This record gives sequence, structure tokens and C-alpha cells, in this order.
Amino acid sequence: EIVLTQSPGTLSLSPGDTATLSCRASQSVSFSYLGWYQQKPGQAPRLLIYGATSRATGIPDRFSGSESGTDFTLTITRLEPEDFAVYYCQQYGSSPWTFGQGTKVEIK
Amino acid sequence: EVQLVQSGAEVKKPGESLKISCKAYGYNFKIYWIGWVRQTPGKGLEWMGVIYPDDSDIRYSPSFQGHVTISADMSINTAYLEWRSLEAPDTATYYCVRVGRFSSGWSPFDHWGQGTQVTVSS
Repeated sequence: EIVLTQSPGTLSLSPGDTATLSCRASQSVSFSYLGWYQQKPGQAPRLLIYGATSRATGIPDRFSGSESGTDFTLTITRLEPEDFAVYYCQQYGSSPWTFGQGTKVEIK
Repeated sequence: EVQLVQSGAEVKKPGESLKISCKAYGYNFKIYWIGWVRQTPGKGLEWMGVIYPDDSDIRYSPSFQGHVTISADMSINTAYLEWRSLEAPDTATYYCVRVGRFSSGWSPFDHWGQGTQVTVSS
């Protein structure tokens, strides 16, 4: 099973800042099958990024994903008030599909 | 518009059975994988399994195989998650999810239901 480790656990930032979230996989993720989700309190997660770098439909371009080997990064530039939430990475390249434990982006 | 609408919250006792549902709207139900994700405060998000309604091909996570049953009824565009004997650790929010079609291989979950809270307590 691929273990995804997200860091940091919590990121305290101000609107307008840039958030850099990390997701490290315990082994190679096949075909870069790595996604990122945003979850707000009381809501279901929402897909942001698929294939490590591609934005899902309707996702603003201030969200971007990158990869380097087994390290994946979600970058959110020019943080908007609605971006403060919990973010999860997920690999779907190897069964069982697994999620990271989440990074909370909170208002400083 | 794609929508996944789940059945309501449930409170059950240990040992009881339960079947929750997820009705899909706005797309061709039979040609998209659909499945379930569990969320708990302690373990976070966990993928449980998916089903391809057109041929009932099912893939389970080893962590859930044998404890739950995933099924689908194409005639009413509905997927199900069923337990024969609930346990207290099954207390969680369960999300219905649709697997996207971004490539010829697997894709992440592009649509989620609103979640069903299941509480198992004596």
C-alpha cells in the first residue's frame, strides 16, 4: 500500500499569500495518478487537480500542481478567503487507492 | 448537471444490518465507475471500493473486503453500500463518489455525494 505523507499539518497564512503544500509518496505513483482535493467544514471534498498537474473543471488557475519523483506539491497563489480549508492528496495508481492525512490552511 | 444524492443519516446498534444508497443524476450512470469513501476523525479519508454498473465489476480495498458489499441498480441509477453486521468502528461519514474519465486508465473522484452519517452505538 502506498502511504502518502502530507506536510505541514497546518499552514497559517494571510489572504494574498502563497500556500505550498507537500505530499510525499512511500513509493512511485504509477502514471502520476495523483489528485488533490479541497474540503471545507461540513462539505464533501472537491477535486482540484488530477494527474498531478492538471486542473479539474472550473478550478481557478491560482491552483497548480507539480511533481518531482515521489514528491508532489500543490501551490495556491494569491490566497482568497474561500481557499482556507483542508487539502488532501490521493493516489489512484495502485490499489488500494490511498489519501494523505490532510493539510489545513488557516487564516493567520 | 452531475449530482450524487445520498440517503439520510442512520443510527444503528452493533450487529444490525444497513444499506445506504446513492442516486446519480445528469450522466450515463452505467459507464462510470462509482464507489464509496469513508471519513473518520481518526483515520481520515479511506477508499472502500468501486463498481462499474454496466457489468457489475467490483474492486474492493482489502481493508473493507468481506465487511461491506457494494452494488448498483442500473434501472434506477443507484449505487449501494451494505453491511450485514455493523460494528462500532463503522461509525463514520460515508461519501458516494464517481470516478472521473480523464484518461484511458484510472481517474480520481470528480463528483461526490453530500455524505451519509452512520452512527453505530449500543
